Formats: sequence, structure tokens, C-alpha cells
Amino acid sequence: DAGVIQSPRHEVTEMGQEVTLRCKPISGHDYLFWYRQTMMRGLELLIYFNNNVPIDDSGMPEDRFSAKMPNASFSTLKIQPSEPRDSAVYFCASTWTGVGSPLHFGNGTRLTVT
Amino acid sequence: SQQGEEDPQALSIQEGENATMNCSYKTSINNLQWYRQNSGRGLVHLILIRSNEREKHSGRLRVTLDTSKKSSSLLITASRAADTASYFCATDDYKLIFGSGTRLLVRP
Repeated sequence: DAGVIQSPRHEVTEMGQEVTLRCKPISGHDYLFWYRQTMMRGLELLIYFNNNVPIDDSGMPEDRFSAKMPNASFSTLKIQPSEPRDSAVYFCASTWTGVGSPLHFGNGTRLTVT
Repeated sequence: SQQGEEDPQALSIQEGENATMNCSYKTSINNLQWYRQNSGRGLVHLILIRSNEREKHSGRLRVTLDTSKKSSSLLITASRAADTASYFCATDDYKLIFGSGTRLLVRP
């Protein structure tokens, strides 16, 4: 199993540009999560999906952020327009239905907005 | 969902020593999980303990759970330099919320 795959690993962009982060969950997993990690705020849950449907997006910071899951094997997190304060490491994680099922994390996308 | 809070924030020990990290939470839980994060990587699941369990072992890891005190501890015995990482706890349901973690440094 290849694990959760995120791309790109690093993204450097200028303020105002659109950024799209991608995630391929582990096959068979029906939950997908997007987290953001910074030194100041730690690991924040942004949004999660179950069976491709967004369940809770209360962690999405503002309307500039959007996430989609068009099918069971792909999800995107888009920031438009990007701002320097969006600089962080963004993680995708997936798991399957079941109490206490462990999350499997990708290695993250390090986003730098200048 | 609720957030687990780890303590201490940072811990530095010599290789071969034991490392103990603590986690506190606020409301009742069904289970509690511990994760490790190596620098530049995603979190990796270490162990899960259910609310009806008091202690669980996995290799050099020992986890305890005290539901009356709403706390858990993670003990790493005979630490190695490769154990250097941040350690996080998270509770319960699908919406796992992580604390700030404990940064463990194991000096060779």
C-alpha cells in the first residue's frame, strides 16, 4: 500500500495567487481529513469528508479556502487568493469506518506564500 | 470532539532512559490514541487505548489511561535516538483534534 499521497511536497507562491493542494487517500478508506500545521497554532482540523461528502468544514478559516472530493480516490484543497498567513504545512489523512480507526497521514505539503 | 493536551511541551533525555509524556482531556471518551511525528513527516499512529482499558503495551511503549482523572500517559522505555520526535494524543471520534504535542529529544 502506497499510503496517503500528497502533492506537491513544496509550494512557493506569491500573495494573491491560487494554490491547489492534492491528496490521494488509501484505497478503501471512506474518511478523508485536511489539517494545517503551524508553530503558532499547532495542528488544526480544516475539514473532513465521509464517502466523498463534506461532513464538517467548521475549521476552514475563511471563504478563500475550499475543498472538494470528486471521487473516493482524490481530494483537493484550494486557496484563492493566497495570503502570507496561509503559509503552513497542510496534511491530508484518511481512515475507514470504525470506532478508533487510526488516521493515516500523508507527508504534507509545505506552502510558502510570499 | 475535544482536544487532548500534552505535557510537558518539551523533554530531553539521554539514550537508554525512559520518557514519559502525559495527556489530559476534558470530557468522557470511548478511546484515546497516541501519534508520533518525525520532523518533516506526517503523524504516525502508535497505539490506541479504549476507555475500559487501564494499560496497554506495544513493544517499548506503555500507555495508561485514568478516566477518573481524564488523563493518559505514554511511556517509552529504553529510549533511542530514533525516538526523537513530537508525540500527540487525540481522543475519540472521527473528528480527531490534536494538542500541541510533546517534543522529545533523545541525546545519543
